[in-house]
Amino acid sequence: DTEVTQTPKHLVMGMTNKKSLKCEQHMGHRAMYWYKQKAKKPPELMFVYSYEKLSINESVPSRFSPECPNSSLLNLHLHALQPEDSALYLCASSQAGTLREKLFFGSGTQLSVL
Amino acid sequence: SQKIEQNSEALNIQEGKTATLTCNYTNYSPAYLQWYRQDPGRGPVFLLLIRENEKEKRKERLKVTFDTTLKQSLFHITASQPADSATYLCALEGSTLGRLYFGRGTQLTVWP
Repeated sequence: DTEVTQTPKHLVMGMTNKKSLKCEQHMGHRAMYWYKQKAKKPPELMFVYSYEKLSINESVPSRFSPECPNSSLLNLHLHALQPEDSALYLCASSQAGTLREKLFFGSGTQLSVL
Repeated sequence: SQKIEQNSEALNIQEGKTATLTCNYTNYSPAYLQWYRQDPGRGPVFLLLIRENEKEKRKERLKVTFDTTLKQSLFHITASQPADSATYLCALEGSTLGRLYFGRGTQLTVWP
């Protein structure tokens, strides 16, 4: 199984809502990532978990809260988002989060904030 | 500041021709460089990785070169097909382990 599965595929939420994005992989990878991508822009790194510990937070606003319950799962909790947070949110994994590793991406969650 | 530039936003070529995409970078000293393919509404898919001490890497119809003096990578697709139409992204690791930064991408269209 070389898949990274993200749910839901699409999400529409209001600015006062609380929602969560989920990501799952069963490749035994120990590093997991959240990226944000706006239309016609490159993916931008948000968070990195390595061995279930948060290792990188790219100065992301606190309305985004990541969680790694175990080595296969990664969540992104959303609260009080702004319309400019509308984007494609991509989860990725890699073997150990070290140099020269390729990333395996999920298909993403297309988020719209109204 | 660090920059990754991909030469053009869009490239249109005829089926059977070779597509050449460029990735230039400044203020990075990457030990390696990666190329990904992204289809609309999907996540990027890894294609090739090339190390700083490798001049060239091939995989089927794909070829990547890496010139650390010019700070440039070229990505070639030979005998291109309409199915190759997608956005191609280059990516470099930043100064901290685990930070992979992407260029904006080049949208390739191969017409029959």
